[in-house]
Order: sequence, then structure tokens, then C-alpha cells
Amino acid sequence: SQTIHQWPATLVQPVGSPLSLECTVEGTSNPNLYWYRQAAGRGLQLLFYSVGIGQISSEVPQNLSASRPQDRQFILSSKKLLLSDSGFYLCAWRDGRLSNTGELFFGEGSRLTVL
Amino acid sequence: AQSVTQLDSQVPVFEEAPVELRCNYSSSVSVYLFWYVQYPNQGLQLLLKYLSGSTLVKGINGFEAEFNKSQTSFHLRKPSVHISDTAEYFCAVTSLSGGSNYKLTFGKGTLLTVNP
Repeated sequence: SQTIHQWPATLVQPVGSPLSLECTVEGTSNPNLYWYRQAAGRGLQLLFYSVGIGQISSEVPQNLSASRPQDRQFILSSKKLLLSDSGFYLCAWRDGRLSNTGELFFGEGSRLTVL
Repeated sequence: AQSVTQLDSQVPVFEEAPVELRCNYSSSVSVYLFWYVQYPNQGLQLLLKYLSGSTLVKGINGFEAEFNKSQTSFHLRKPSVHISDTAEYFCAVTSLSGGSNYKLTFGKGTLLTVNP
């Protein structure tokens, strides 16, 4: 069966510090991968998605970047965090072979607090 | 472009009462629709989905939803809720056109609180 792991689960960082959140998927190959951010009262905002190694699409211009160095690894990064980067970050995957269900499977999330 | 509106940000109900969480969507093409549930400090879990066929969709934990194309709605219902149903519920839509990326667009969520 497929599983998705995110870490760290919680993170407290000072303003201006770097960030690295990691997500890995097991039990599948060539998944589509997604990073969402959840802020209170705002629902889920799609930040980045990737359909393959090295292929990153950005949905919202911002202080963050994403990379996919391996097929089942997706990393969210920042060089200098802002207060507004605080939130709950969710990684998700879907089967890239399925052309039409659109169902996403989510990780447990990483809560980032920037002070 | 597609969008989702969840009409209620919070819904308080008593245990064993029925509940309906409302969702309306906007899209110029055919869509797939989803309901996800999120328990505190956890990821999202799929409750149910509508892809095609019967407009009444049954999901996990006794939830069901009805797709109404004319009203562009996909309301979630449960005839009798439990304390354990307390969570945030998200409606999501993806369109059938475009590439294979199938990005989901989420509503802002409805916090369901079940009181004893």
C-alpha cells in the first residue's frame, strides 16, 4: 500500500531563517506531488505541484520554493522566512497514471511557526 | 477557472441530530467533486467523491452527498452525528479539462462541532 510521510511535524523558526520541509511517498512510482498551505480561515492554498523529477510548477509567487530531487521526494524550502509564512503545510500525492479521478492523498502535515 | 464556496464556516449541532454542510461550486466545464475531513493537527482524509453516475454518493463514517448539476451544489449530509464527527470538512473540485495535473481547488472549510 502507498504511504506518505512529512517531517518535521512541528517547527518553530525565527524570521529570516531558512526552511526545509520534506515529503516522501512510498509504494508508488511517478506520483504527482503537491504542496498546500493551510492558514486559519483560508482553506487550502496550492503552492507547488510536480508531475516528475525536476518539474515544478508554482501557483503563487512568494517566499517559498520547491524541489523534486527524486521521484518520490518533494521538498519545500525558503532562504529567509517571513512571519506570513506561518501555517500548516500539507504534502499530497496522486497516482500519475490515473488520468481522471483527481483524488489526492495527504500527509499528516507540518506546522510552521515563524517568530 | 473553478471555485468552491462553503456557505457555513461553522456548524454546531447536538449529538444524534442530522447535519448538512453546504457546498457550491463554479466551473465552466464538467467537474469531479470531493469531500475531505480534517481532524485537529492532522492531514486530510477523503470522505467521498463524485466522478459520474448516481448523483447520490455514499462515503465513510455514514456520510453521503448529493450532486446537483442545475444548482451546482454538492452538499454533505449525515442523518445522525456523533461526538467523533467533530472536525473540519472541506469541499473540493477539479475540472475534467486541461492537462493531467488535476489540481484540486478547495473551499475554506466548515468546522462541524458536535455537542453532547
